[in-house]
Amino acid sequence: DIVMTQSPDSLAVSLGERATINCKSSQSVLFNSNNKNYLAWYQQKPGQPPKLLIYWASGRESGVPDRFSGSGSGTDFTLTISSLQAEDVAVYYCQQYYDTPRTFGQGTRVEIK
Amino acid sequence: QVQLQQWGAGLLKPSETLSLTCGVYGGSLSGYFWTWIRQSPGKGLEWIGEINHSGITNYNPSLKSRVTISVATSKNQFSLKLSSVTAADTALYYCASPRGYRYGYSDNDAFDIWGQGTMVTVSS
Repeated sequence: DIVMTQSPDSLAVSLGERATINCKSSQSVLFNSNNKNYLAWYQQKPGQPPKLLIYWASGRESGVPDRFSGSGSGTDFTLTISSLQAEDVAVYYCQQYYDTPRTFGQGTRVEIK
Repeated sequence: QVQLQQWGAGLLKPSETLSLTCGVYGGSLSGYFWTWIRQSPGKGLEWIGEINHSGITNYNPSLKSRVTISVATSKNQFSLKLSSVTAADTALYYCASPRGYRYGYSDNDAFDIWGQGTMVTVSS
């Protein structure tokens, strides 16, 4: 299985400041034939299913505010919230869909400082 | 806009079989893999497995001996059965669809539409 490891486990950021979450995969999720990284980011708020934010490591899903961005390639990825808003308080997960079983990171809780 | 609605028993005794169904509304099952995922406090988000309209399945090896995912294309539904449940199977279970379903491509994929979730508790 591809192991996904996120850091940090939790993060407290002031409103308007940048939040950065890292995700590392135990093997590359870059498919060389199409140069796509099979990596997604999700946001989950209490009582809701995860919401897809980022696909192919850097593609922003329709309707997702542009303060959310994804970057990275191979085994190292980052989700950045450029200016944290109150509604961004949530748990964030990375997930690889390069291989089965699909696997998720353990989650990073983002709070307001 | 496709929607997923899931249902099934929420309280089970140890050794019973979990049974959940997910209905796909606003489109057909054809051409894509449809997924079950569970979430528990102890293990986070865990991919259970997937099925396509032809009945081809992929399962998580950690659950493979107990999992059966089936499809009923005429009803636009797919189902999950997990046998011999224990307290460790207590979790929130979700069905999910691939992003490509909405955007017209077929590939290994992220999950962009999720069911509402079904809390399953295993307790004697």
